[in-house]
Amino acid sequence: DIVMTQSPDSLAVSLGERATINCRSSQSVLYSSNNKNSLAWYQQKPGQPPKMLIYWASIRESGVPDRFSGGGSGTDFTLTISSLQAEDVAVYYCQQFYSTPYTFGQGTKLEIK
Amino acid sequence: QVQLVQSGAEVKKPGASVKVSCKTSGYTFTSYGINWVRQAPGQGLEWMGWISAYNGNTNYAQKLQGRVTVTIDTSTSTAYMELRSLRSDDTAVYYCARDDSSGYFDFWGQGTRVTVSS
Repeated sequence: DIVMTQSPDSLAVSLGERATINCRSSQSVLYSSNNKNSLAWYQQKPGQPPKMLIYWASIRESGVPDRFSGGGSGTDFTLTISSLQAEDVAVYYCQQFYSTPYTFGQGTKLEIK
Repeated sequence: QVQLVQSGAEVKKPGASVKVSCKTSGYTFTSYGINWVRQAPGQGLEWMGWISAYNGNTNYAQKLQGRVTVTIDTSTSTAYMELRSLRSDDTAVYYCARDDSSGYFDFWGQGTRVTVSS
């Protein structure tokens, strides 16, 4: 199984500042047939299901604010929120869909400083 | 609009079975797959399995193999997840989630809380 490891476990950022969450996979998730990284990011607020933000490592889902961006390749990925808003307080998960079993990172809790 | 609406909360005794439904609308059911993901209290997300709504092919997490079955009813655009021989550590919120067979989950159900307790 591919192990996904996020860092940090929790993060406190001031409103308007940049937040960066890291995700590392235990093996490359670069899909050779399309040269895309099989990595997605989700946001989960308390009592709600996860919401997909980013897929193929860097493609923003329709309707997701452009302050959210994804980057990285191979085994190392980042989710960046360029200017933190109050509504961004949530737990963020990365997920690899390169191979089953699909696996998630342990989550990063993002709070306001 | 795409919607996945799940059945209500369940309380089960150890050793029993539970069957959760996921009724979909707003898209062509057979053009997508349905995944099941669970989340134990205060914990992260665990993928359980997938079914193709096109041909019924399935793929399960090995740790649940033999205890979980995912099925579909194309006449009602509904997916089902049955988990048998329930244990206390199966207590979780269970989610269904749509994918286009790429493996990322673009729409999720609201979740079904399953509590296993004697």
